Amino acid sequence: GENVEQHPSTLSVQEGDSAVIKCTYSDSASNYFPWYKQELGKGPQLIIDIRSNVGEKKDQRIAVTLNKTAKHFSLHITETQPEDSAVYFCAARYSGGGADGLTFGKGTHLIIQP
Amino acid sequence: DGGITQSPKYLFRKEGQNVTLSCEQNLNHDAMYWYRQDPGQGLRLIYYSQIVNDFQKGDIAEGYSVSREKKESFPLTVTSAQKNPTAFYLCASSIGSRSHTFGSGTRLTVV
Repeated sequence: GENVEQHPSTLSVQEGDSAVIKCTYSDSASNYFPWYKQELGKGPQLIIDIRSNVGEKKDQRIAVTLNKTAKHFSLHITETQPEDSAVYFCAARYSGGGADGLTFGKGTHLIIQP
Repeated sequence: DGGITQSPKYLFRKEGQNVTLSCEQNLNHDAMYWYRQDPGQGLRLIYYSQIVNDFQKGDIAEGYSVSREKKESFPLTVTSAQKNPTAFYLCASSIGSRSHTFGSGTRLTVV
């Protein structure tokens, strides 16, 4: 099955600086890679996703890059703000067949220092 | 507003008891999922269902059971066979190849 590794487990950055979270996956058949943000006591919320036919996707201050050859993908947050503090999860899935579940990384606790 | 509702938000279970967690969605999504979240472990898939009256085991199904009698509902029962049930449980749904929409979770504690 799929295995997703996520690094770092904790990331502390100064407000206004950029943050980068990296994930690797094992199954070359995976073709869908979402990123979720989870605030304390709440369910994860989708913030951005990318499919394997695209190398990069951007949405305002958030971007995701995908390197299929190396089987890794990254989340980039620019001009970080206090409300960006949360736990971020990457995930991977093969979506060519039925609606199977996602395989998640273990999460990154992002701390924005004022 | 459309969404996923999980209840209760907090649940306490005595040793040897079965408990059922509720998950209802009004998004008209075909697929539904249950995940377990433990500190530092990410989310792990317990069961998923692609269609009514059908469901499949995920990575950690032992000690859990589900049913999918209606499209909108996917309850999870944590049985006495689950030896370490204390965790945060998340229900999700999806349609087609789109991403999951998650509920707000149920925190289960064994007392």
